[in-house]
Amino acid sequence: EAGVTQSPTHLIKTRGQQATLRCSPISGHTSVYWYQQALGLGLQFLLWYDEGEERNRGNFPPRFSGRQFPNYSSELNVNALELEDSALYLCASRRGAVNEQFFGPGTRLTVL
Amino acid sequence: GEDVEQSLFLSVREGDSSVINCTYTDSSSTYLYWYKQEPGAGLQLLTYIFSNMDMKQDQRLTVLLNKKDKHLSLRIADTQTGDSAIYFCADHTHGSGNTGKLIFGQGTTLQVKP
Repeated sequence: EAGVTQSPTHLIKTRGQQATLRCSPISGHTSVYWYQQALGLGLQFLLWYDEGEERNRGNFPPRFSGRQFPNYSSELNVNALELEDSALYLCASRRGAVNEQFFGPGTRLTVL
Repeated sequence: GEDVEQSLFLSVREGDSSVINCTYTDSSSTYLYWYKQEPGAGLQLLTYIFSNMDMKQDQRLTVLLNKKDKHLSLRIADTQTGDSAIYFCADHTHGSGNTGKLIFGQGTTLQVKP
């Protein structure tokens, strides 16, 4: 069974630009989660999508947004990039009621 | 609010047992998880325990849950150098409905010396 995949692996942007990160869940998983892992801040919940709808979002500004497509893949968009957005962005997909979240390898976003 | 705390660092010798500890604050926690993160990689789900259980064993891993003290531990038997990684405790709560999110601790870096 293929795991969660994310692209790109690395992304370098400058302040003020926009970044788009992509995630493909494990086949059969309908929920996708996004987390930010920034140095010194730990893992923080960003967004949860299920069946194409945004179900919950963490304490992040509106310039962090995303969507989930009919095939359950997901996109995270970060507008007006700031230096502190530099982090590893992790996507996870979920199986069943236990809320087992399986993570992808992440996208390392660097904002210069 | 919800919070999960872990000690930051643990060093053991190869072959010894490792015990990584975690405390959480939310009394409505339903599932608690242990994840492993190797350098430059994503998170690997190791195991989880439902909040009405006291213990769960899975090969070299033993999870103990003290719900009264809100304390969770992960014991790794016969620790190997390949176990060197950061270990995260995570909490899923149902406080006010299924929020979906996991609350993670800061991570414990496990160093295994040969």
